[in-house]
Amino acid sequence: GNSVTQMEGPVTLSEEAFLTINCTYTATGYPSLFWYVQYPGEGLQLLLKATKADDKGSNKGFEATYRKETTSFHLEKGSVQVSDSAVYFCALFRGGGSYIPTFGRGTSLIVHP
Amino acid sequence: ETGVTQSPTHLIKTRGQQVTLRCSSQSGHNTVSWYQQALGQGPQFIFQYYREEENGRGNFPPRFSGLQFPNYSSELNVNALELDDSALYLCASSSNREMGAETQYFGPGTRLLVL
Repeated sequence: GNSVTQMEGPVTLSEEAFLTINCTYTATGYPSLFWYVQYPGEGLQLLLKATKADDKGSNKGFEATYRKETTSFHLEKGSVQVSDSAVYFCALFRGGGSYIPTFGRGTSLIVHP
Repeated sequence: ETGVTQSPTHLIKTRGQQVTLRCSSQSGHNTVSWYQQALGQGPQFIFQYYREEENGRGNFPPRFSGLQFPNYSSELNVNALELDDSALYLCASSSNREMGAETQYFGPGTRLLVL
């Protein structure tokens, strides 16, 4: 079946530091890949997505590139802010022809001033 | 444009009881998905409804059932509650059955505690 693996958290950074959150996946075919963010006490919000190999999704300074050769979709941001503190989820949809959305366990990001 | 809403926000039940959670989809969306999110975990897909029919189901037992109404709102029903059913239940709506690229919009969730 499909699976998503994210790096363990929490990730703790100082403001303006560079962020990388690793995400790798297992799926057949060509899944679409997503990053969602969850702020405390709220539901999930789409951060960015990529629907085919080599696509780069970007939003609010965050970027991720769909790498089929390494089955990865790592999230990056050049300069984090305190307001970026949240839990980040990597997800894949429609892998191998079956519709079973699969989310990673989430990576908590804590940014200190 | 109204976002996805869920009710109630919090709920406490005891083992063996039944619960119904409700979701109103975002305006213009005809597809609703339900997820269970245990504490510290990612959302687990329960099922999806498209135009009032179940369109896909995750690894959940039959005591998890759902409905979608003509106005595309939806209910999640859980029978014979177990302690492990304690979680945040998320509803998400989208405008296309083919989820290859369509974005799902999530509600704030219903937090269920089973005692």
